[in-house]
Amino acid sequence: QKQLQESGPGLVRPSETLSLTCTVSGGSITSGDYNWSWIRQHPGKGLEWIGHIDHSGGSYHNPSLRSRVTMSEDTSKNQFSLNLNSVTAADTAVYYCAGRKYGDWHFDLWGRGTLVTVSS
Amino acid sequence: QSVLTQPPSVSGAPGQKVTISCTGSGPNIGAGYGVHWYQQLPGRAPKLLIYGNTKRPSGVPDRFSGSKSGTSASLAITGLQAEDEADYYCQSYDSNLSVWVFGGGTKLTVL
Repeated sequence: QKQLQESGPGLVRPSETLSLTCTVSGGSITSGDYNWSWIRQHPGKGLEWIGHIDHSGGSYHNPSLRSRVTMSEDTSKNQFSLNLNSVTAADTAVYYCAGRKYGDWHFDLWGRGTLVTVSS
Repeated sequence: QSVLTQPPSVSGAPGQKVTISCTGSGPNIGAGYGVHWYQQLPGRAPKLLIYGNTKRPSGVPDRFSGSKSGTSASLAITGLQAEDEADYYCQSYDSNLSVWVFGGGTKLTVL
């Protein structure tokens, strides 16, 4: 069973870039069986899908965030990453990395989540 | 405003049954996309509870069940236990927005 773990700064200044990494253990991110997503949860609020990167390295983003989001993968480290630029306080949230089996529509793997606060 | 609508809260006594609704629309649940449910315990990540409208992952008790009809879905929890106290989220896909969408979440209180 694959396991996911997020890492990155807990504090980002407004207008800067939020950068997070998800390390996958228990299997290769390039095995082709999973698409890798980022999902966030604003404090006390619901869940918002940010985007995903698929087994071929292509990425797809929530149109509401598309112009600010970049996703990538580092196969040598078995990691995938999220960059969100020009952040504001509205980007303060718990960020989860998640896995969705190719062909499925639900997320069966989740990291523990990491809180990112945007503040000067 | 979430694309999928859930009641903010439900409650029930131990041993009772509660149901949580999830209302969508044509481009998501109504288009035939599956509804999936997650349980989020306080301070924890969401955990898959029901997928494909009615299926339970291995290890999920059969006290949890899902159903879907038209543009809505429901999660039923029977034999309520104190450990069921959590937030519950429904999720589907919206073909108009081209995004995976979640409900706003329902807080279950076990009285």
